[in-house]
Amino acid sequence: GAVVSQHPSRVICKSGTSVKIECRSLDFQATTMFWYRQFPKQSLMLMATSNEGSKATYEQGVEKDKFLINHASLTLSTLTVTSAHPEDSSFYICSAPTGGGPDGELFFGEGSRLTVL
Amino acid sequence: GDSVTQMEGPVTLSEEAFLTINCTYTATGYPSLFWYVQYPGEGLQLLLKATKADDKGSNKGFEATYRKETTSFHLEKGSVQVSDSAVYFCALISNFGNEKLTFGTGTRLTIIP
Repeated sequence: GAVVSQHPSRVICKSGTSVKIECRSLDFQATTMFWYRQFPKQSLMLMATSNEGSKATYEQGVEKDKFLINHASLTLSTLTVTSAHPEDSSFYICSAPTGGGPDGELFFGEGSRLTVL
Repeated sequence: GDSVTQMEGPVTLSEEAFLTINCTYTATGYPSLFWYVQYPGEGLQLLLKATKADDKGSNKGFEATYRKETTSFHLEKGSVQVSDSAVYFCALISNFGNEKLTFGTGTRLTIIP
């Protein structure tokens, strides 16, 4: 089946630095990708929808200047956490639909665990 | 807004036991319902889905029936295996066309031999 890959799977950084997480669709093209965030013992929360060739659409309450999203090509979306702080420590997951509307399948990356010291 | 409430884990069962993971939802309209599974070190994978009331999704011995009257989509398996150990997420899409999933908190399942 379709594969979505994230990198890195784990990253530890110092407070105030920026971290980039990549999400790639390996065997299909994705004009849309979704970025989720999961805190311990909580649901995956949709952060933003990444659109190839245009600006990302952010969910309410998500700081777009903090979480920069770039959908550079049909197979790559990046999430950059700028000036990271300990409260940004979380599990970030991307997904990409293979088309077909709500009945189409979403494929997920393995997730990236960010720890900000 | 839309929400999904899942049975809290972790759940630990012996091999060959019967499994139920409860899931209820709140949504406008007629959502599509999903169960995703995340095995250790891997991304979420679609386990099964149901798109309308009374539909039953099934895969790998797991089943879930879309119950509109109780707004539920409980996951069941008659005889679990050690390889079923994973985190299970219930989810829904309520608005056709935007493909945005609303997830439950996930339930960690551990099967002991």
